[in-house]
Amino acid sequence: AQSVTQLGSHVSVSEGALVLLRCNYSSSVPPYLFWYVQYPNQGLQLLLKYTTGATLVKGINGFEAEFKKSETSFHLTKPSAHMSDAAEYFCAVSDPDNDMRFGAGTRLTVKP
Amino acid sequence: DTGVSQDPRHKITKRGQNVTFRCDPISEHNRLYWYRQTLGQGPEFLTYFQNEAQLEKSRLLSDRFSAERPKGSFSTLEIQRTEQGDSAMYLCASSPGRKGTEAFFGQGTRLTVV
Repeated sequence: AQSVTQLGSHVSVSEGALVLLRCNYSSSVPPYLFWYVQYPNQGLQLLLKYTTGATLVKGINGFEAEFKKSETSFHLTKPSAHMSDAAEYFCAVSDPDNDMRFGAGTRLTVKP
Repeated sequence: DTGVSQDPRHKITKRGQNVTFRCDPISEHNRLYWYRQTLGQGPEFLTYFQNEAQLEKSRLLSDRFSAERPKGSFSTLEIQRTEQGDSAMYLCASSPGRKGTEAFFGQGTRLTVV
């Protein structure tokens, strides 16, 4: 069965600094990979996804992620953090049957 | 398209009582998922449906939990004889079911067992 590990339960950056949130996956079949964001008291919103094709995926709000099969990673980055990026971020993996599993999440704090 | 709708948004119940939550998926979506999320954790998979068929149940789903999706439309999640450990956010999501499609989440139902 597929699984996801998010390294770092809490990441703190200064406004304008690079954001890097780490995700490693385990899957016995070619995975589909997702990043979701959750703001307080809200549901999960899709940031971006990788299915096939280009390994560098661009999402909403300036985020992007790169699928690296050799490293089994799908790290999320943003060149310049904004205060509004403060939220909980979840990496998820699904198999061709669409059985989706989530990591434990990384809380991003942005300091002024 | 009004998105995934969950009802109620909040539920406070006494230990030992039964509770039922409802989820209305996006209308053309044939996949429906239930997850549980506790504070500081990611969504934990509970179960999912392909139309009306329940295809997988997590070991987290004890005998006190049951889910249904009659006619492949809305779904209900019932917890019998609630315990304090059941306090959590219960999330519902739906997807079209095609390979690589994302799940769309509702706002969740927050359960507090006192």
